[in-house]
Amino acid sequence: AQSVAQPEDQVNVAEGNPLTVKCTYSVSGNPYLFWYVQYPNRGLQFLLKYITGDNLVKGSYGFEAEFNKSQTSFHLKKPSALVSDSALYFCAVRDMRDSSYKLIFGSGTRLLVRP
Amino acid sequence: KAGVTQTPRYLIKTRGQQVTLSCSPISGHRSVSWYQQTPGQGLQFLFEYFSETQRNKGNFPGRFSGRQFSNSRSEMNVSTLELGDSALYLCASSSNRQGRSGELFFGEGSRLTVL
Repeated sequence: AQSVAQPEDQVNVAEGNPLTVKCTYSVSGNPYLFWYVQYPNRGLQFLLKYITGDNLVKGSYGFEAEFNKSQTSFHLKKPSALVSDSALYFCAVRDMRDSSYKLIFGSGTRLLVRP
Repeated sequence: KAGVTQTPRYLIKTRGQQVTLSCSPISGHRSVSWYQQTPGQGLQFLFEYFSETQRNKGNFPGRFSGRQFSNSRSEMNVSTLELGDSALYLCASSSNRQGRSGELFFGEGSRLTVL
C-alpha cells in the first residue's frame, strides 16, 4: 500500500534562515513525488515534482527537494525563508504503475516563518 | 489560461439532504479528480474521471458519486448528508500530455458545512 509520512505537524523558522520540511514515502513500485502548498482558504498549488534523473529538483518560489531512494525520503528545502512562505505544505506520491492520476498525500506540515 | 473553477465556493446543508458540486477543468485537460479535505483525515482521494470514465475510486461510501461530461466538466454528488461530510472538496485537473507524471492543478475548493 502507498503511504506518505510528514513527521512534523509544524516547522518554525526565522526569516532568512534555511528551512526543511520532511517527507518519507512508501510505494510498491517507483514513485512520482510531489510537493504542494496551501494558503488559507485556497486550493493546493504545485511546487515541484520528482520523476526520474537528478535527485535534486528545483521548483517554484525558490524551493527545492532532494530525492533519496535508500531513505525513501523527499524533503523540501529552501535556502532562505520568507515570511510569505508561511503556509501548509503537502507531500504526495503516485505509484508509476498506477494507471490513474491518483495522489496519496501526507498529513501536511504547517510552516511558520517569523520575522 | 483560466484555472480550475469550482462552484459553489461555500454552501450549507442539513443532514439528510443531498448536494451537487461542480468543477470545470483547465481547457484541454481530460482528467478530473476529486479530493476531500478535513482537519481529522487530511486529503483523501474520492475518484478520478478521464474522458467520461471513472478511472479510479477511493474508499468512500456509495453516497459519494461523480460523473464527467463530454466537455470534461465534472460533478460530484453526496446524498443523505451526514455531519461528517463537512469538508473542503477539492477538484483537480491534469493533462495527459506529460503522461502520468503530470502534476494536478487544483481549484479553490467548495466548502460544505452540514448542520
